Amino acid sequence: EAGVTQFPSHSVIEKGQTVTLRCDPISGHDNLYWYRRVMGKEIKFLLHFVKESKQDESGMPNNRFLAERTGGTYSTLKVQPAELEDSGVYFCASSQAVRYGYTFGSGTRLTVV
Amino acid sequence: RKEVEQDPGPFNVPEGATVAFNCTYSNSASQSFFWYRQDCRKEPKLLMSVYSSGNEDGRFTAQLNRASQYISLLIRDSKLSDSATYLCVVHAGSQGNLIFGKGTKLSVKP
Repeated sequence: EAGVTQFPSHSVIEKGQTVTLRCDPISGHDNLYWYRRVMGKEIKFLLHFVKESKQDESGMPNNRFLAERTGGTYSTLKVQPAELEDSGVYFCASSQAVRYGYTFGSGTRLTVV
Repeated sequence: RKEVEQDPGPFNVPEGATVAFNCTYSNSASQSFFWYRQDCRKEPKLLMSVYSSGNEDGRFTAQLNRASQYISLLIRDSKLSDSATYLCVVHAGSQGNLIFGKGTKLSVKP
């Protein structure tokens, strides 16, 4: 079974530019999550999709972040315009149900300079 | 108070040692509990779920005390390959998200 795939693995962009991260969940997993780890802090929730619907986006920092999951398959997370404090590792995870735990992708390391 | 708090670490132990990690959570409505393992610059990987009755998986034993809102992980006969950061993770509700502790770093030395 293929795991959760994220692209790109690394991205270095200048402040003010736009970056789009992609996540391909495990096939058949309706639940897709985005998390972020800023250096020195714990991993924090950003948002949760159930199929193509946003179930919970309470963790999104501000309106510079836009997540989509068209067709309920892969998801994208766009940051526009990027700021220095957006630097961190962005993890995507998917699950069939919470009781099984989540499977995380290897993350996208974003550096805004 | 943080939602999930863990021992700050790091824990530096010799091979074969027994090591215990503790974790407390603030939301009494939390329903599911997990320990994840994260290697340097890698993604978190589920180590084990934690049940009220306690559960064991080989050298790893997890315990949950709902009254004290306390979770523990015991690693017996530690191996070099156990070196990693151990994350205490709590899930608040059926549609909620995972809440992570900052993690405790374990380094097992020869």
